[in-house]
Amino acid sequence: SQQGEEDPQALSIQEGENATMNCSYKTSINNLQWYRQNSGRGLVHLILIRSNEREKHSGRLRVTLDTSKKSSSLLITASRAADTASYFCATQQGAQKLVFGQGTRLTINP
Amino acid sequence: DARVTQTPRDKVTEMGQEVTMRCQPILGHNTVFWYRQTMMQGLELLAYFRNRAPLDDSGMPKDRFSAEMPDATLATLKIQPSEPRDSAVYFCASGTVAGGYNEQFFGPGTRLTVL
Repeated sequence: SQQGEEDPQALSIQEGENATMNCSYKTSINNLQWYRQNSGRGLVHLILIRSNEREKHSGRLRVTLDTSKKSSSLLITASRAADTASYFCATQQGAQKLVFGQGTRLTINP
Repeated sequence: DARVTQTPRDKVTEMGQEVTMRCQPILGHNTVFWYRQTMMQGLELLAYFRNRAPLDDSGMPKDRFSAEMPDATLATLKIQPSEPRDSAVYFCASGTVAGGYNEQFFGPGTRLTVL
C-alpha cells in the first residue's frame, strides 16, 4: 500500500501564482523526497528533505517537513506553464526502497 | 548526460505471450528498482536489486513475473504468460545509497499493452 497521500489530487492555477501540495504519511521515516512526472515520462527527482530537517529550498521550490504531524508540503512559487506535471512524494524508511504516494496533478493555465 | 535507458519503449502483445523488458542503469549505480504504474494503483514497487542481488520482490506476482540482473549493466523484467491486467507502464530506476539516503533516477518507461 502507498504510504504517502498527496493532497489535493488535482490542482489548477494561473501562471504566476504559487502552488502548494501536501503529503501525509503514516510511519517514521528516514527522509522524504518529491518527484515530478511529465506526461508520458519517467519521474524526476526534485528535492530530498531529511527527517531532522524542517525546511529546504531549491530554486522556486520550498519543502517543509513536520515529523510530529507526519506531513510535508511542496510550494512552487511563481508558477510557469512548464511546471504542469504530476508531483509525487516518496518516503524512505530504511536505507532501501521508497514508497510513493498517488500524486497531485498540477495544471498551470497561461 | 548519464541516464537510465529502457527498451522497448512500447510493447503491444497478445494474452499468453512472453514479454521481456530491459533496463540499463546508470553506470556506477548499484541499486536497481522496477516499478509498475497504472491509473488505478499508482506507482507500485515490484522488485529491487543491490549489487545485482535481489533484495525484495514481494511486490511482484511470482507465478508469472521474474526479475534478474545478469550483469551490472542490464536488468530484465519478464512476464510469462502475460495477461490483460498486466497492461501498465513499467519503470526502471537506479541509484546509490549514499549516507543512507536514496535518490532514484528513472528511465522513460515501457508502455505495455496486453490484448
